[in-house]
Amino acid sequence: QLQLQESGPGLVKPSETLSLTCTVSGGSINNFYWSWIRQPAGKGLEWIGRIYTSGTTNYNPSLKSRVTMSVDTSKNQFSLKLNSVTAADTAVYYCAKERVYYYDSWYFDLWGRGTLVAVSS
Amino acid sequence: EIVLTQFPGTLSLSPGERATLSCRASQSVLSNSLAWYQHKPGQAPRLLVYGASIRATDISDRFSGSGSGTDFTLTISRLEPEDFAVYYCQQFGSSPRTFGQGTKVEFK
Repeated sequence: QLQLQESGPGLVKPSETLSLTCTVSGGSINNFYWSWIRQPAGKGLEWIGRIYTSGTTNYNPSLKSRVTMSVDTSKNQFSLKLNSVTAADTAVYYCAKERVYYYDSWYFDLWGRGTLVAVSS
Repeated sequence: EIVLTQFPGTLSLSPGERATLSCRASQSVLSNSLAWYQHKPGQAPRLLVYGASIRATDISDRFSGSGSGTDFTLTISRLEPEDFAVYYCQQFGSSPRTFGQGTKVEFK
């Protein structure tokens, strides 16, 4: 059974780069879209972006200038980098797998438990 | 982007009761590309419904989704103790994908 696990530093200093990795276990990472989603405390969920195992990416326009995603199929992992972070980037970060509904409409059929990242000096 | 508004914010009910959760979109959701997720503290969010009304694998038939266009509903026919959680709607027909703010179903 496929499982996702986020990992990375729980504390990042302002203006630095947040880096997280999602490890996929119980199956292959290949031929799927993989997303990052976050939720600041007391606020709603925000889709950050996604990556296909070929390396193709799509980012939320609100974060596009600061986001980079990558994938390492040999390790069954994909990663998120968010640069120039501020306190507003403090959130629980989730990784998720996507499944196609039709044509270019994809929903999230499997999520990780999430990891809290705080931005503070 | 499409803004999703969920109401009520909190639903206080007892086990065995029926729960009706609403999600309204700021513009029409293409091809009923709407999903519902259940989220409990410390756990991974779980997909319940996609395509507005299609139950995900292994989801109890107590959960049913309906609606189209801009108005969608998730109904839990008879609440079980494990159903008390936060529920989110999400549209995936337009980019960027967006979520509602959530409805908390709590014990009365």
